[in-house]
Amino acid sequence: DTEVTQTPKHLVMGMTNKKSLKCEQHMGHRAMYWYKQKAKKPPELMFVYSYEKLSINESVPSRFSPECPNSSLLNLHLHALQPEDSALYLCASSQRGNSGANVLTFGAGSRLTVL
Amino acid sequence: SQQGEEDPQALSIQEGENATMNCSYKTSINNLQWYRQNSGRGLVHLILIRSNEREKHSGRLRVTLDTSKKSSSLLITASRAADTASYFCATDGAGGTSYGKLTFGQGTILTVHP
Repeated sequence: DTEVTQTPKHLVMGMTNKKSLKCEQHMGHRAMYWYKQKAKKPPELMFVYSYEKLSINESVPSRFSPECPNSSLLNLHLHALQPEDSALYLCASSQRGNSGANVLTFGAGSRLTVL
Repeated sequence: SQQGEEDPQALSIQEGENATMNCSYKTSINNLQWYRQNSGRGLVHLILIRSNEREKHSGRLRVTLDTSKKSSSLLITASRAADTASYFCATDGAGGTSYGKLTFGQGTILTVHP
């Protein structure tokens, strides 16, 4: 299995809602990532989990709350979002070897619209 | 700020022509990677070049790296309509707190006309 699966593909939510994005991989990768991508822009790193521990938080607002229940799963909990948070949210995973070569395998993304 | 800057921002060519995209970066790197993204989809890894390598080939792809100029280029030969996509370079920082932080350039939108 060489895939990263993201659900849901599309999500529409109001500013008072609580929702979650889910990501799953079964490649034995030990690093998992959340990226945010606005239209016609590059992906921007939000969070990195390494061996199920949060290793990088790129000063993301607390209305985004990541969770890594186990080495195969990564969640992004959303609460009290703003319309400007509407974007494509990409999950990725990678092997964490000693070579320093983080080749990322991406999911297809979750398209989030905040009304 | 973004580590990688790419040019051109958009490139339009005919099928069969070659496409060249350039990427510049600012700090020391372990390696540089290129990814492709079809419209609204996830990114797909194309090729990786390490900081001690100067050129690498994979099928119709050729990547060069000049660490003295902090720049890289991606050449796609004999392009096809299916190559239409956005192409991003990504740098993997050398050590310290940047380890594990893959930073993407602004991207080049390639359109290949049949």
